Amino acid sequence: EDQVTQSPEALRLQEGESSSLNCSYTVSGLRGLFWYRQDPGKGPEFLFTLYSAGEEKEKERLKATLTKKESFLHITAPKPEDSATYLCAVQAAGGYNKLIFGAGTRLAVHP
Amino acid sequence: EPEVTQTPSHQVTQMGQEVILRCVPISNHLYFYWYRQILGQKVEFLVSFYNNEISEKSEIFDDQFSVERPDGSNFTLKIRSTKLEDSAMYFCASSDRTSAYTYEQYFGPGTRLTVT
Repeated sequence: EDQVTQSPEALRLQEGESSSLNCSYTVSGLRGLFWYRQDPGKGPEFLFTLYSAGEEKEKERLKATLTKKESFLHITAPKPEDSATYLCAVQAAGGYNKLIFGAGTRLAVHP
Repeated sequence: EPEVTQTPSHQVTQMGQEVILRCVPISNHLYFYWYRQILGQKVEFLVSFYNNEISEKSEIFDDQFSVERPDGSNFTLKIRSTKLEDSAMYFCASSDRTSAYTYEQYFGPGTRLTVT
């Protein structure tokens, strides 16, 4: 069964303290891995798509990387406005376009 | 920047009543989806829709659910007879093909459905 597991569940950082979030996946062929940001009571906001192992994408303080079994979202020198839940999702081969989501990592960045 | 919109933002209904949740996808997108998120749980896929028909649906999407694209801009989710366990945030998403194999999905702000 296709599955996505994110860790840690919650992460508290001081402003400027860099860290990484983990997304491990088990799918029958990966078509794409997606990172989203979700603020409380809002819809997921698209951040990145990664397609193949070794690929990296960057946006401001965020950098996403992909291996054959997991993806990391690195946050460099975070600011309080980076506080949100970060969701990882996969599209599996053989299916149509549905996204399979992990439970997310709740990030809190304190000044 | 184009975005997905959803109405209403919050819907309160009594158990057994029918509800229709509405979405306006991004205008040049061809693929449409509904997901739901029960409070504190994962975002779950419900259904995908392309070329005026359902292309995939989950086990959650039983006979009580239906989707429709009644005109060129709206995409709706109908729940025929709501249950308490249907209380959740419902998200609409849309996508276009971004590569040969993947489809980046853009989500709306959601409709919070409360069934009493």
